[in-house]
Amino acid sequence: DAGVIQSPRHEVTEMGQEVTLRCKPISGHDYLFWYRQTMMRGLELLIYFNNNVPIDDSGMPEDRFSAKMPNASFSTLKIQPSEPRDSAVYFCASSSGTGGGETQYFGPGTRLLVL
Amino acid sequence: DQQVKQNSPSLSVQEGRISILNCDYTNSMFDYFLWYKKYPAEGPTFLISISSIKDKNEDGRFTVFLNKSAKHLSLHIVPSQPGDSAVYFCAAKTSQGGKLIFGQGTELSVKP
Repeated sequence: DAGVIQSPRHEVTEMGQEVTLRCKPISGHDYLFWYRQTMMRGLELLIYFNNNVPIDDSGMPEDRFSAKMPNASFSTLKIQPSEPRDSAVYFCASSSGTGGGETQYFGPGTRLLVL
Repeated sequence: DQQVKQNSPSLSVQEGRISILNCDYTNSMFDYFLWYKKYPAEGPTFLISISSIKDKNEDGRFTVFLNKSAKHLSLHIVPSQPGDSAVYFCAAKTSQGGKLIFGQGTELSVKP
């Protein structure tokens, strides 16, 4: 059974360019999460969806970041325009439920470098 | 304001001995605590969790202890194996919603 799938695995872009990260959650999971990992801030939640609806986007750093989930099997995180400080590893995770200790399953991450 | 703290960035242990990773939290509303393990170039993988109504949960070589009065939890790995070498993240959440708050991580190195 495939886990969470993220693409691309690596992205190098220049400042000012648009970046789109993609995620396919585990089939049947109704929650999807986007995280960012940096040396300074560690692993932090950016936004999460329940049944394709954004529930909490308080972690989205600024208006340059946007996330969508058009259907249960696909989500995107877009950065426009990108800046060097956006360089980080971006993880997508999914879970079935969240009311208890349900496990979140993480994808392999997208390593983004903005020059 | 860091709600979940792992104060030891690294830990080195001899193979066969016990590894103890520590985690402190500040939010008394947390209901669940989880440990994730992360290898380089991979996403975190779930290891073990504990509900706030318990003080211990065991799964094979891994045991998590929770001390609510001290707002402290620890992960014990016995016996430690070289394959356990990874970064371990402590995470916490409330029962309301799905937001996981992660600690900064502790890099465990188990030497043969």
